[in-house]
Amino acid sequence: QLVESGGDLVQPGGSLRLSCAVSGFTVSSFHMTWVRQAPGRGLEWVSTIYSDGGGTYYADSVRGRVTISRDSSRNTLYLQMNSLRAEDTAVFYCARYLPVADAFDIWGQGTMVTVSS
Amino acid sequence: SSELTQDPAVSVALGQTVRITCQGDSLRSYYASWYQQKPGQAPVLVIYSKNNRPSGIPDRFSGSSSGNTASLTITGAQAEDEADYYCSSRDSSGYHLRVFGTGTKVTVL
Repeated sequence: QLVESGGDLVQPGGSLRLSCAVSGFTVSSFHMTWVRQAPGRGLEWVSTIYSDGGGTYYADSVRGRVTISRDSSRNTLYLQMNSLRAEDTAVFYCARYLPVADAFDIWGQGTMVTVSS
Repeated sequence: SSELTQDPAVSVALGQTVRITCQGDSLRSYYASWYQQKPGQAPVLVIYSKNNRPSGIPDRFSGSSSGNTASLTITGAQAEDEADYYCSSRDSSGYHLRVFGTGTKVTVL
């Protein structure tokens, strides 16, 4: 199970850290991903952290402003977001990525981030 | 980054068959996965590795692929299949990057 938290209303230029609490498996043993969905829009891949070595990858739209990480002791995935813009307003989902399936097999319920003055 | 294009909306009569397509250059090299999303809910994986269903997904859902096009077919559509459907694949501009399709709204009449 994945449970996101941390979404909030934040002013443009502000920062926010999203959390994804993992239960039922170990966060460091799987590739984990953040996906977002702006209101009334489609899904957009944001970032992935790999289990083996922890390589991190980002969409062009967020690279340089966002950092994905994990805490094995808390079994939690994070997304640190800085220099937030109005266009970052979205529901953010965390999801588990399975290489053998090349797919996201488990999703959280999402947390809403609103960037507005 | 690459793009995956889907028809915005399709409709299907109850019990009939509907096919949703996803087009993109990355599909010439990589399989698509498919996700169902109902209003206010998180996406759910319905097809992976071209034509494999996770446990619990009805066998009326199937996938296929040819050239730069991946397809999701619902054979005998049910009222509960009304939802948005998204394809996803690796991004052709980077093996570790991902891309989602533009989404298709399926209406069951």
